[in-house]
Amino acid sequence: GQQLNQSPQSMFIQEGEDVSMNCTSSSIFNTWLWYKQEPGEGPVLLIALYKAGELTSNGRLTAQFGITRKDSFLNISASIPSDVGIYFCAGQFTNTGNQFYFGTGTSLTVIP
Amino acid sequence: SAVISQKPSRDICQRGTSLTIQCQVDSQVTMMFWYRQQPGQSLTLIATANQGSEATYESGFVIDKFPISRPNLTFSTLTVSNMSPEDSSIYLCSVDRTGERAFFGQGTRLTVV
Repeated sequence: GQQLNQSPQSMFIQEGEDVSMNCTSSSIFNTWLWYKQEPGEGPVLLIALYKAGELTSNGRLTAQFGITRKDSFLNISASIPSDVGIYFCAGQFTNTGNQFYFGTGTSLTVIP
Repeated sequence: SAVISQKPSRDICQRGTSLTIQCQVDSQVTMMFWYRQQPGQSLTLIATANQGSEATYESGFVIDKFPISRPNLTFSTLTVSNMSPEDSSIYLCSVDRTGERAFFGQGTRLTVV
């Protein structure tokens, strides 16, 4: 399977701080996605990116599709306690209808 | 958004037995995917469930261990056969279609004792 590496592996931050995480791949993807997973739940899609260089926001979340198409970045501004969870990137070779390959995950803890 | 229901949500099974997990989608989709998430790990694709043909398995996963059915465009099952404690994981089904991306069911938490 495809190998996607996320960093950092875990983060402990104070409420109100900004968060940055990234995902790198040995393969070129045509779609990048970011998910959040909370305990006992399946992953929930946060942001989808379809073009190299694309920058997309969803509330306090902003994600970018890297120019090389081998990486992506997720930023969370002004973190709040409910941001706690594990964040996964995922890559897809085509724009729809195919499987996703997931990154190793970033565990985020927000300290009130 | 697509609504995906998985059953059972969790189970505790004896080693050597088999468990069939069901995935029901509220509307037709061409492709459904089955993932495994081992404790504290990321999601690993097991196979793509194709309607009308055999499932396509990823490297390291075989049909004898993880038989998959896809009888129609809204339903699929994954069976975990001859279970061992190493099969203890969360199993998730997922769908992807134009305009609605990559939704997951809530998962089936399997513990093998």
